[in-house]
Amino acid sequence: EVQLVESGGGLVQPGGSLRLSCAASGFTVSSNYMSWVRQAPGKGLEWVSVIYSGGSTYYADSVKGRFTISRDNSKNTLYLQMNSLRAEDTAVYYCARGGYCSSTSCPFDYWGQGTLVTVSS
Amino acid sequence: DIQMTQSPSTLSASVGDRVTITCRASQSISSWLAWYQQKPGKAPKLLIYKASSLESGVPSRFSGSGSGTEFTLTISSLQPDDFATYYCQQYNSYPGWTFGQGTKVEIK
Repeated sequence: EVQLVESGGGLVQPGGSLRLSCAASGFTVSSNYMSWVRQAPGKGLEWVSVIYSGGSTYYADSVKGRFTISRDNSKNTLYLQMNSLRAEDTAVYYCARGGYCSSTSCPFDYWGQGTLVTVSS
Repeated sequence: DIQMTQSPSTLSASVGDRVTITCRASQSISSWLAWYQQKPGKAPKLLIYKASSLESGVPSRFSGSGSGTEFTLTISSLQPDDFATYYCQQYNSYPGWTFGQGTKVEIK
């Protein structure tokens, strides 16, 4: 059974850092597109970052230069390092797996339960 | 970036109603469109991919159609478990997936 379990969220001051983890089971993280998607309180969904199976990484403009996506193949875990955090980064962060891929892209077929990041002084 | 616009933003309906939600893309995305259902405090759940393919385990009362820039999600007979928020998502433009703003289906 495919499962994604996020951890690492919490309260952090503006300008601070946080690292989110997403432990996967039932499949191999390094063989799939893996993304982070966030949802601010009461708002819609926003794609944040992706790491492709080949290791390439991409970011939304809103987080470029501040966030870093990575994975640990030995732990089958996805990470999101978040630096220089701002109030507008406050959101529930979900990790998601790309599935039913075309030759170039995928929707997200499995999602974690989410972890809340609150940026406030 | 490709913009996705859903309508309506809120929809009030009764159990048994036929419900249709529309999603429009700012440029052609072929059939690379997905639909998700999200309930309060829960993660989104994939319902439809490639515009009209039903995800395994999703009830057949859900269906999707469209291509190019206009898409629809239809629930043929609304059930109590279907009251939720629905999002469309394009995956034609990569990387840079974009979602619609959501449609909340409420009890009338």
